[in-house]
Amino acid sequence: AQSVTQPDIHITVSEGASLELRCNYSYGATPYLFWYVQSPGQGLQLLLKYFSGDTLVQGIKGFEAEFKRSQSSFNLRKPSVHWSDAAEYFCAVEKGNKLTFGGGTRVLVKP
Amino acid sequence: NAGVTQTPKFQVLKTGQSMTLQCAQDMNHEYMSWYRQDPGMGLRLIHYSVGAGITDQGEVPNGYNVSRSTTEDFPLRLLSAAPSQTSVYFCASRYNRGQETQYFGPGTRLLVL
Repeated sequence: AQSVTQPDIHITVSEGASLELRCNYSYGATPYLFWYVQSPGQGLQLLLKYFSGDTLVQGIKGFEAEFKRSQSSFNLRKPSVHWSDAAEYFCAVEKGNKLTFGGGTRVLVKP
Repeated sequence: NAGVTQTPKFQVLKTGQSMTLQCAQDMNHEYMSWYRQDPGMGLRLIHYSVGAGITDQGEVPNGYNVSRSTTEDFPLRLLSAAPSQTSVYFCASRYNRGQETQYFGPGTRLLVL
């Protein structure tokens, strides 16, 4: 069965430091890949997406993600974290009209 | 353009009661879907629809019914609520063509006692 794994449940990072969130998936072929962010009590906002082409994808709020086919990974990065980046982040994979989410990574930002 | 709207925002039910969670979109999206969010499990797909009159099951369909009579609306029905259905429910929609992104509603928080 298809699955999406986000190995880190919580990550604490200092403001201004870099951030990397990991995402691995198991599918037979390259699916569509997404990263969403959810602030407390809010809905989901799309950060970026990968369908095909350039494997380095730029998103909103200074985030980027890199698709690595050989590793079945789609890791999210941000060079310098702001306090407003504290939220929960979800990697998601779509194949055959079905969107499958990872369990999420909660990011805490220290001043 | 309101996007994806969900009502109610919060609901408390007793075990065995029934209710319908409403979802509507004004973007003329063919595809609509329902998810439930539980701590540590991300969002899980309950049911989805690729157009009026067409629905299909997702990952966790048991205990939920859907129908799609119009393009705009995709209600989710709980016929006999159980405590295990306590969750936050999100509706989403997108165009039904390749390389499209789903837009999510604000969610409905459901507590079943």
